[in-house]
Parts: sequence; C-alpha cells; structure tokens
Amino acid sequence: GAVVSQHPSWVICKSGTSVKIECRSLDFQATTMFWYRQFPKQSLMLMATSNEGSKATYEQGVEKDKFLINHASLTLSTLTVTSAHPEDSSFYICSAKTGLGYTFGSGTRLTVV
Amino acid sequence: AQSVSQHNHHVILSEAASLELGCNYSYGGTVNLFWYVQYPGQHLQLLLKYFSGDPLVKGIKGFEAEFIKSKFSFNLRKPSVQWSDTAEYFCASTNAGKSTFGDGTTLTVKP
Repeated sequence: GAVVSQHPSWVICKSGTSVKIECRSLDFQATTMFWYRQFPKQSLMLMATSNEGSKATYEQGVEKDKFLINHASLTLSTLTVTSAHPEDSSFYICSAKTGLGYTFGSGTRLTVV
Repeated sequence: AQSVSQHNHHVILSEAASLELGCNYSYGGTVNLFWYVQYPGQHLQLLLKYFSGDPLVKGIKGFEAEFIKSKFSFNLRKPSVQWSDTAEYFCASTNAGKSTFGDGTTLTVKP
C-alpha cells in the first residue's frame, strides 16, 4: 500500500534554532499533503494543507512565517519550524492523499529545550 | 512500538444500516484512543476520544465507541448510517506523546 516516510521521528533542538521535518511518499505521488500537530491529551489539529507546486494554505492561528511548508515535488513535502521555542514542542504528523484515500507518516516528536 | 489495526479496509452499507468498525491497538500501557473522520477532499475531524472513565464514549454525529481493555479494542459504532457518513475513518492511539494511526476504513453508504 501507499507509504509515507516521515523523518526524523524524534528530535530535540535548542531554542532559537530551526528544525526541518520531511515527509516522502515512497510509492505514489502525493499531490496534497496535510500537516497536523498534536499537544498532549489533545486531538490532532490541522496546521496547513499543501499542494504540490503551490503555496500552502494555513489554518487560522498558524504562523506561516514560523512554520514553513514546502511541497516542491510530488514525493516530498517539508515542514520547517523556524526559531523554535519550547511552546513549539509537540507531535507533528503529515498525511498524504493517495489514490484510494489517505495515509499517515509515522510522526515527529519535537522537543525544544 | 505501538500499532493500530483496522480490520476492514472498505465497508459498503445501505442507508439506515448499523455500522461497526473494528480497531485494535497493541500497546498494553496507558493509551489515549481516538476516532477521526475524513470526508472527501477535507482534513481530519475528531469524532470522539477516550482517555479514561466510562468505556462507552459518545461522539459527534451519533457515533460512539467502546473501549474494551481486555480485548485491546476500541470499535466505532453507529446505529443507523446516512449517505453523508461516506468518508474515511481512522482509529489512532496516543502514548507518550506519539500518535499511531490505523490504515483507515473507507465507508461507502449507498442511498
């Protein structure tokens, strides 16, 4: 089946640095990618929707200059958390539209210290 | 590593039929469990969640799920489906801040 590979699965970074999270579709072309974040004890929240070759659509309250999304190819979408702060510590996960439905990456646990 | 399995990849029902989607999780410790729905062309929406307490959880749109610890299950149910319930349904478990999703079940409701 369709597989999305997400890296890294776990990252610790210092406050003020940037972190890039990658999601690659391994055996299909992902024209649409969703990026979600999840705080402890809460459900996923949509951050943005990215379409290959165009600018991402951000949800209300999500800073587009802080969470940079690039979907430059049909097999790769990246989320860069710029100037990370401890409050950005969260679980980030991508989801790609496949021919049959949707599939999820394995997620990235970001801890900013 | 925790895993989540959804038994049915594609379910086809007629309107007014009852629905039960299976979900089993592997982790034996404390987990938080979720059911999400994704309508065609839209992002995930939360249907319901279980953290603790009453194992029978009621969600939006008439959905409910029952947490059965002994069976590691969290099946989703609805007594009478509607055409508008046609969507993809995902079960997820969260442990230590990491969510794991099932492969999803596509539900098609015929009018």
